[in-house]
Parts: sequence; structure tokens; C-alpha cells
Amino acid sequence: DAGVIQSPRHEVTEMGQEVTLRCKPISGHNSLFWYRQTMMRGLELLIYFNNNVPIDDSGMPEDRFSAKMPNASFSTLKIQPSEPRDSAVYFCASSRDRAGFGSPLHFGNGTRLTVT
Amino acid sequence: EDQVTQSPEALRLQEGESSSLNCSYTVSGLRGLFWYRQDPGKGPEFLFTLYSAGEEKEKERLKATLTKKESFLHITAPKPEDSATYLCAAAGQGGSEKLVFGKGTKLTVNP
Repeated sequence: DAGVIQSPRHEVTEMGQEVTLRCKPISGHNSLFWYRQTMMRGLELLIYFNNNVPIDDSGMPEDRFSAKMPNASFSTLKIQPSEPRDSAVYFCASSRDRAGFGSPLHFGNGTRLTVT
Repeated sequence: EDQVTQSPEALRLQEGESSSLNCSYTVSGLRGLFWYRQDPGKGPEFLFTLYSAGEEKEKERLKATLTKKESFLHITAPKPEDSATYLCAAAGQGGSEKLVFGKGTKLTVNP
């Protein structure tokens, strides 16, 4: 199993530009999560999908952030326009069941985003 | 609000010097308490799930235990390759399906 695959691994962009992060979850997993990690705040859940449907997007910082899951094997997180405070490592994770049922999350290796 | 607090923030050990990491949690109706290991530049890697107080799980030099308010990750005779950040997370029944993470303990094991 290839695990959760994220791309790109690194992204450097200028303030105001659009950024798109991509994720391929583990085959057969029904839930997909986008997290953001910073030194100050640790890992924060941005949005959670179950069976391709967004269940909880209360962690999305503001309207500049949007996420889609058009099918079971692909998801995107878009930031438009990007700002320097969006600089962080963004992780995608997937799990076999819904988050609240005790299934462990399996994480990708993240996208390090730097907005200058 | 669900909360997870880990201590210490950082821990330095000599190879072979056993110790424990602490995870205190406040969640409504614990569904699962998770431990992850994170290496620099990588995503968190799943280690253990604990479901109820009194439960213990072991993997090599690591043993995780759970009480009603805390979980401990015991590291016996650590080796330099155990150096990593260890993250604790909790899932509760309080209407939200979020997994709440602590900020982690950065463990360094010196040879």
C-alpha cells in the first residue's frame, strides 16, 4: 500500500496567489481529513469528509480556504488569495471509518507552504 | 471543549535511560486515545489506540497505558532511533467527530 500521497511536497508562493494542495487517500478508506500544523498551534483540523461529503468544515479559517473531494481517490485544498499567515505544513490523512469511531488516521508526508 | 495536553514539551534521555511521556485529556465520552510518532519532515505515524481505562498496549520499547484522565507512553531502554516527536490525540462522543491533538513531546535520545 502506497499510503496517503500528497503533492506538492513544498510550495513557495507570493501573497495574493492561488495555491492548490492535492491528496490521494488510501484505497478503501472512507474518511479524509485536512490538517494544518504550526509550531504555535500544533495540528489543527481544517475539514473532514466522509464518503466524499464534507462533514465538518468548522476549522476552515475563512472564505479564502476551500476543499473538494470529487471522488473517493482525490481531494484538493485551495487557498485564494494566499497570505503570509497561511504558511504552515498541511497534512492530509485518511481512515477506514468515521473519525469518532476510534479508527486511526493515516497521514501523508505533508505539503510545506511558504507564502512570502 | 475537548482538550489534550502533553508534558513535557521536550525530553532528553541517554540511551538506555527509561522514562514516561504524559498526555492529559478532557473529552466527553472517550471513544479512543491515540499515540503517534512524528519524524522531522514526515507525517505522524500511528502507534497505538487505547479505548478504556486500564488498557495497555506494547510495541518494542514502547508501552502505552490509559486512565480516566491521562495516558502515559513509557519508553524502556530507549535507543537513538526512538528520537522523534510523540503526539497524543483523543476522540470523544461530544457531538463532534474531531480528533483533538496535543502539541507533542519532542524526545531526543543521546548515544
